Amino acid sequence: KNEVEQSPQNLTAQEGEFITINCSYSVGISALHWLQQHPGGGIVSLFMLSSGKKKHGRLIATINIQEKHSSLHITASHPRDSAVYICAGGKTSYDKVIFGPGTSLSVIP
Amino acid sequence: NAGVTQTPKFQVLKTGQSMTLQCAQDMNHEYMSWYRQDPGMGLRLIHYSVGAGITDQGEVPNGYNVSRSTTEDFPLRLLSAAPSQTSVYFCASSYLGFTEAFFGQGTRLTVV
Repeated sequence: KNEVEQSPQNLTAQEGEFITINCSYSVGISALHWLQQHPGGGIVSLFMLSSGKKKHGRLIATINIQEKHSSLHITASHPRDSAVYICAGGKTSYDKVIFGPGTSLSVIP
Repeated sequence: NAGVTQTPKFQVLKTGQSMTLQCAQDMNHEYMSWYRQDPGMGLRLIHYSVGAGITDQGEVPNGYNVSRSTTEDFPLRLLSAAPSQTSVYFCASSYLGFTEAFFGQGTRLTVV
């Protein structure tokens, strides 16, 4: 069993739909990271969370440390949101980061 | 700002050859790391460094060497390339361990 799991593995949505990607982990962490990887391969950091909720434009990330669960929401999805979304967790500042397998999102016009 | 510069972008090696993947950052970040990404397996940590002169192994260190002689540079060396090392490699840096990470553009390595 992977220490960090994501669901769904693949997701296809119509433009404008509200999207939720889930991340659950079995190890204790102090912070969780959401990353976006576009088809060209580049990886961009979206959020780092240690508690509560963060919002950036149409993206919202939430985390519940006690329940070991985080969600990434995309409101009013757009084809340019098509990418792989990866969650990753770490325990301490210099601890080894554990990555989830990624969720592949495709938004159709 | 250059951010994280990773070279080369593509490389084909023959089995047994050696090479160095370069990674440089200009943000004065202490934490740098190397990952490989394989289909269906996500990112896996190869080696990481918490500052100049300090390195440690990650999840999949075998076949790879690193050094950190300066804050800016963190090269990854493949000593004797094997087909199992065919992968996409990413370098990343951040100010402290798991703060906002900046990734290089990736190196697609094929070992034949």
